[in-house]
Amino acid sequence: DVKVTQSSRYLVKRTGEKVFLECVQDMDHENMFWYRQDPGLGLRLIYFSYDVKMKEKGDIPEGYSVSREKKERFSLILESASTNQTSMYLCASSGPGVGYNEQFFGPGTRLTVL
Amino acid sequence: GNSVTQMEGPVTLSEEAFLTINCTYTATGYPSLFWYVQYPGEGLQLLLKATKADDKGSNKGFEATYRKETTSFHLEKGSVQVSDSAVYFCALSYGSNYKLTFGKGTLLTVNP
Repeated sequence: DVKVTQSSRYLVKRTGEKVFLECVQDMDHENMFWYRQDPGLGLRLIYFSYDVKMKEKGDIPEGYSVSREKKERFSLILESASTNQTSMYLCASSGPGVGYNEQFFGPGTRLTVL
Repeated sequence: GNSVTQMEGPVTLSEEAFLTINCTYTATGYPSLFWYVQYPGEGLQLLLKATKADDKGSNKGFEATYRKETTSFHLEKGSVQVSDSAVYFCALSYGSNYKLTFGKGTLLTVNP
C-alpha cells in the first residue's frame, strides 16, 4: 500500500513564525502536491512538484513556498505565518503517467496560527 | 478551465436509505473522474474512479457512472450505513495536467 505521512497531525504557531510542514511518500512517486482544505471551499492546490527540484504554483501559492530536494519528500514552508493560514493542510502523491493520476493522501496537518 | 460542481450538503439520512450525491463537471475534452471520501479526522481516500464515458466505478457498495452527455458522475449507494458518515469529494483529472480539480465536498451523516 502507498503510504503518505505528514510530520504533524496538529500544529500551533504564532503570527510571523516560519513554519515547515513535511510530507514523505514511500512509493517512488514522481508527483507530489500540497493542498489546503477549508470549510465551504473544498481542497485548493497550493503547489505541486513533478520531479526533484521542480515545482509549479497551484491556485493559491501566495504566502507559501515549497522544497523538494529528494524524491520522497516534499516540504511546504510558510515564510511568515499569518492567522489566515490557519487551515488543514493535506499532502498527496501520484505515480507516473498522464490522464487519470490517482492521488494518495496523507492524514493531514491541522495548523493553527495565533 | 476545468470545474466540478457537487450538491451542497449537509445530507442527513437514516440507516439503509438510498443515497445520491450529484456531481457535474466542466472540462475540455474527456477527463477522468473520481470520488474521494474523507472520514472524520483522516485524509482523503479514493472511493472509485472512471476513465472514459459510460465507465462505471464501484467500491464498497457505492457506484458512479461517467455520463458524457450530461457531464455528470453522480455517486449512489442503495443502502447506507452509519459507517458511511463522511465528507465526499468529486474530482476530475485531464490530460497531461497532473492536478485534480475538486468539488467543494458534501458532508453525509447517517443516523441509526
